This record gives sequence, structure tokens and C-alpha cells, in this order.
Amino acid sequence: TQLLEQSPQFLSIQEGENLTVYCNSSSVFSSLQWYRQEPGEGPVLLVTVVTGGEVKKLKRLTFQFGDARKDSSLHITAAQPGDTGLYLCAGAKSGNTPLVFGKGTRLSVIA
Amino acid sequence: EAQVTQNPRYLITVTGKKLTVTCSQNMNHEYMSWYRQDPGLGLRQIYYSMNVEVTDKGDVPEGYKVSRKEKRNFPLILESPSPNQTSLYFCASSRTGPAGETQYFGPGTRLLVL
Repeated sequence: TQLLEQSPQFLSIQEGENLTVYCNSSSVFSSLQWYRQEPGEGPVLLVTVVTGGEVKKLKRLTFQFGDARKDSSLHITAAQPGDTGLYLCAGAKSGNTPLVFGKGTRLSVIA
Repeated sequence: EAQVTQNPRYLITVTGKKLTVTCSQNMNHEYMSWYRQDPGLGLRQIYYSMNVEVTDKGDVPEGYKVSRKEKRNFPLILESPSPNQTSLYFCASSRTGPAGETQYFGPGTRLLVL
């Protein structure tokens, strides 16, 4: 059972376009994280959200945690080729329970 | 430099030949874990360790063993590798248990079992 469903799986857009990636679950998470992974490397943390309704911004990236703490979204404004990569959401239900990862969204931004 | 290191980065082996993938972190982290990443399946946790001498199964532990004798090291052991263990493996560590904590990932080990 996949606890975290990410959509879309693949996304190919032109430079300058906006996009949103979704991470949904029927379970409540105490925290949710977004990672980015580039080819040949391990995932790198972008953000952690812990409060329902929380919004965090990282330059052109906006992350939101759902009010019920069951879902999250990542919005990228004016995408650039450097944003290309695999975006992964990961959630933990409590302090010591294992982290669960979504299958990822592979983003390709074409110049 | 704070980092998680894995060795080897690439490995080709044959069915049944025991192998060990090493993982070491220099951040004094308590929590360490192993994942495998497969196309269409994403990252799945194999084993994790909350601290020295404390290990537990993740989602896909069959065919793997781990040990945590020292805080910095968390080797992954495949006693008798099989082709279905061909995968990309990542070790990760965090200061404490995973909720809300940054996971620092190693660079990955690409394993091919013939």
C-alpha cells in the first residue's frame, strides 16, 4: 500500500511556466518533507512542514501542508532548467515511525 | 564536511556471493537507514537503526541484514544476493528519529546481481 501518492508522475514544461506537484494521503502525518534528487545523487531536503495549513517559500518554490495534515503541494513559479529533477515527498506519522516516501514526480524543464 | 559516505558506488556480482555495502556518517547522528530505489516503486526502506545496537525492519527487509556496532557505521549485508536485489541503494542518517528531521543521504550504490 502506497501511503503517499504523488501526481503527476512525469511533467515536461517550457522554461518560464508555472507548475504544481501534489502529494496526497488518507493518513495524517506529523510532518511532511520535500526532497529533490538529481541523477547520480541522493535526495536533498528542500523543506519540512509540520503545521496544518503551513506555507513555506524557498525562492520560486512554495510548499503547502494541508489543513488536515494529509496532503501537501509544491508550486514552482517561472520554472528554470535548473529545476529539472525528481521531486519526492516523504511523511512521518510520529517521531520514531519510519519515513514513507512517495514515488516521485520527474520534472523536466526545457529551455 | 558533513557527509554520508557509501562504498562501493558501483558493484556487479553473481548470485549467491555474499557482499557488504558500507555506510558511514560523520555528523554524530543517532538515526540511520537503508533504502532501495527502483523504477516505478520509488524509495523503500530496508532497515533502520534508532541508535547503536538498535535495528529494526523497514518495508522490504527480506534478503538483507544490518548491524550497528558503532554510531557512525551502518553496513548493509546481502548474505546470498539474488537478481531481484539489483537496485540503487541509499544510506541516510538524521540527528534523531525521522519525523521532522533532515535526512542526509549518501551518494548511492548501484548494484547489479547476475
